[in-house]
Order: sequence, then C-alpha cells, then structure tokens
Amino acid sequence: AQSVTQPDIHITVSEGASLELRCNYSYGATPYLFWYVQSPGQGLQLLLKYFSGDTLVQGIKGFEAEFKRSQSSFNLRKPSVHWSDAAEYFCAVGPMDSSYKLIFGSGTRLLVRP
Amino acid sequence: KAGVTQTPRYLIKTRGQQVTLSCSPISGHRSVSWYQQTPGQGLQFLFEYFSETQRNKGNFPGRFSGRQFSNSRSEMNVSTLELGDSALYLCASRPGQGRELFFGEGSRLTVL
Repeated sequence: AQSVTQPDIHITVSEGASLELRCNYSYGATPYLFWYVQSPGQGLQLLLKYFSGDTLVQGIKGFEAEFKRSQSSFNLRKPSVHWSDAAEYFCAVGPMDSSYKLIFGSGTRLLVRP
Repeated sequence: KAGVTQTPRYLIKTRGQQVTLSCSPISGHRSVSWYQQTPGQGLQFLFEYFSETQRNKGNFPGRFSGRQFSNSRSEMNVSTLELGDSALYLCASRPGQGRELFFGEGSRLTVL
C-alpha cells in the first residue's frame, strides 16, 4: 500500500541552524512529491513540489528538497532557520489514481529556539 | 487572485446534529477536494469533485457527503454527528490539469 513516513514527530533547532526534515514514501511508480507547511490554526501552504527532472527542487521561504529514488526519500532542508519557520511540516505523495488524492505523512512539528 | 475560501471557520455542534461546510475554490479551478485533519488520524482524504461529479471518495461512512455546483463551489455535509467527527476540515482546489493542491484555512468543527 502507498504510504508516507515522517519519522520525526518533533524537531527542535536553534535559530540560524540548519534543518533537515525526513520523508520516506512507498509508491509503485514515480510519484509526485510535495512538502506543505501548516501554522497553528491555519490551512496548508505548499512549500515545494517534485514532478520530474532535476532531483533538487527549490521552494518558497528558502526551503529546498532532494528526491532520492534509491532511498525513496524526499527530505526537506533549509540552511538557516528563522523563528518564523516554527510550524508543522507535512510531506505528501500523489496522485494515487485517476482521482487526484494525496497521501500525507503524519507531520513533523518544528520548534525554533531563540 | 483570491485563495480558497472556507466558511464557517469555526463551529460547534452537538451529537446527532448535522453540519454543512462550504468551499469556494480559486477562480478558474474546477477540482475541489476535501480532507479531514485530526490529531489521531492526521490528514485523510474525504472526496474529490470535478465538474460537479464526485470522482473518488475516501474511507469514510455514508454520513459524509458532498456536492459541487456549476460555479465549482463545493459543500460537504456530515449528518448524525459523532464526537469523533471533531476535526479541521480542509478544502483544496486545483486547476483542470494542475498537479498542485491549494488549500483553504479550514473549518474547525467541534462536536459536543
């Protein structure tokens, strides 16, 4: 069955430090991959996406992610974290069939130390 | 261009009642999807509509239903509410051939 795993429930980093959030997926074909961010009480905002081509993709707010087919991973990175990056981050894979449905990971909550 | 708009943002119901949530997609987007978000189950797909037709439905009981209108606006309805229906309900839209979902801010339903 298709699935997305985000192994870290919480991550705490100091402001200015680098960040890497892990995402592993199980999917029968080359998937579309996404990272979304959710601030408290808000909806989901798309950070970046991978459909095909260059495996290193750039997103908004200084985030990037690298697709590694051999490891079935799509990890999110940022070289220097800002306090405003504190939020919950979701990795997603899709579509699963003719209907456009995304499968989401369980999320990683990022806390930023001043 | 305005984003996805969901109403109401917050609502409180009691068990056994029903609720209707509304979603206005981004202008020009013809596909609308609904997701339920809870602390225990995370984000789960409810259904997708395209051109007024339901294209797929997630693993939810028949109490959960939806529809889409000719202007692409969508509503979802939950009947005979249960405590476990308390959740953030997120609507997302995408253009006809688009691959990205654009989410609204959600409707937070509390069932007492």
